[in-house]
Amino acid sequence: GEDVEQSLFLSVREGDSSVINCTYTDSSSTYLYWYKQEPGAGLQLLTYIFSNMDMKQDQRLTVLLNKKDKHLSLRIADTQTGDSAIYFCAESRYSSASKIIFGSGTRLSIRP
Amino acid sequence: EAGVTQFPSHSVIEKGQTVTLRCDPISGHDNLYWYRRVMGKEIKFLLHFVKESKQDESGMPNNRFLAERTGGTYSTLKVQPAELEDSGVYFCASSQAGTYYGYTFGSGTRLTVV
Repeated sequence: GEDVEQSLFLSVREGDSSVINCTYTDSSSTYLYWYKQEPGAGLQLLTYIFSNMDMKQDQRLTVLLNKKDKHLSLRIADTQTGDSAIYFCAESRYSSASKIIFGSGTRLSIRP
Repeated sequence: EAGVTQFPSHSVIEKGQTVTLRCDPISGHDNLYWYRRVMGKEIKFLLHFVKESKQDESGMPNNRFLAERTGGTYSTLKVQPAELEDSGVYFCASSQAGTYYGYTFGSGTRLTVV
């Protein structure tokens, strides 16, 4: 079946690292994504990783994929107030044009 | 390049009324998708157009929902008659053929059925 799960809330102190975790059930997942939604805005693709990769780094973002455990994580280094948003884990299979299966989103809040 | 545009941004209607949501994809994008997020839950797939054809409509909840894509350009999603459980945020997204880095999403239409 298709299911993506993630915790609903995360609170971190400004300047610390944030780690948002996600698990998925579909072993056929080919692409895994992290989307960000800021208040009043649409979904912004933050980063993606192919299922044959273990890690991807892009500036302050690090994505780790454990395909065996079907676990995906997003680490945001030096978290800033502008990182406050809802982060959605998502996956798709076959081709990039396939439908994307999203999780419920993790609301990241930053405390001073 | 203009992004994916959705109209209206908000809509409040009474149960039993009809509402039509519109999505203008990025010019030249053959793939167009509708998703919705209900009650803070996961974002769920509704359907996928390739040009004017429905490629996958497995996520459409029932026959009160009708999606069209005129001439492979903009798309409309009509809900008739609307029910309370239809409230949520409806997202549209588009992508070019062969894109492998996900879609571009619009800002969504927040629909409230009272």
